[in-house]
Amino acid sequence: ILNVEQSPQSLHVQEGDSTNFTCSFPSSNFYALHWYRWETAKSPEALFVMTLNGDEKKKGRISATLNTKEGYSYLYIKGSQPEDSATYLCALPIANAGGTSYGKLTFGQGTILTVHP
Amino acid sequence: DTAVSQTPKYLVTQMGNDKSIKCEQNLGHDTMYWYKQDSKKFLKIMFSYNNKELIINETVPNRFSPKSPDKAHLNLHINSLELGDSAVYFCASRHRQGVEYGYTFGSGTRLTVV
Repeated sequence: ILNVEQSPQSLHVQEGDSTNFTCSFPSSNFYALHWYRWETAKSPEALFVMTLNGDEKKKGRISATLNTKEGYSYLYIKGSQPEDSATYLCALPIANAGGTSYGKLTFGQGTILTVHP
Repeated sequence: DTAVSQTPKYLVTQMGNDKSIKCEQNLGHDTMYWYKQDSKKFLKIMFSYNNKELIINETVPNRFSPKSPDKAHLNLHINSLELGDSAVYFCASRHRQGVEYGYTFGSGTRLTVV
């Protein structure tokens, strides 16, 4: 069983603030990490797939870093906008003994971000 | 042109009924999944099919039966519905993305058993 934890559970920020949240996971047997953005009643939308220690990915005002040795990933949002309000999920696939992924994603509980105008 | 579509979006039914949720993807992906959002809001995997073959079957009551008539469709049939089956069910499909896979999710089916 893979234990994936996200913190904080919820976050309220003002428009224009920059913010970040964390995904923690066991550092042993790491394979990959996915970040998703999920608005209520919509499909979870893929943001990043990260595989290498030290990876940094960026998409507009959103960026993510990965530290596989210590078992965490940060998601940053610069200059938050009300449309950034959503639940941000991280997920890790379980790797099998052969080192490949079954595709069984284990999700964290998510961080609910609310950006106030 | 929805990539992964689920029907219905909402389903309210009585205990003891049998119901199906349908999922279709037009992405040409070989592998599809069913996930359930549990009471604590975690998404938990239930089943996976690869090109019509069952490859993942988690500890799910056998009242739940997936069916894949072709690789673009993965339906979920639930017999003798119970109150505890109330949840949001998500379908997903998978594609190769570098060394890892990318996953595309549907928007969910909210099942309410009364």
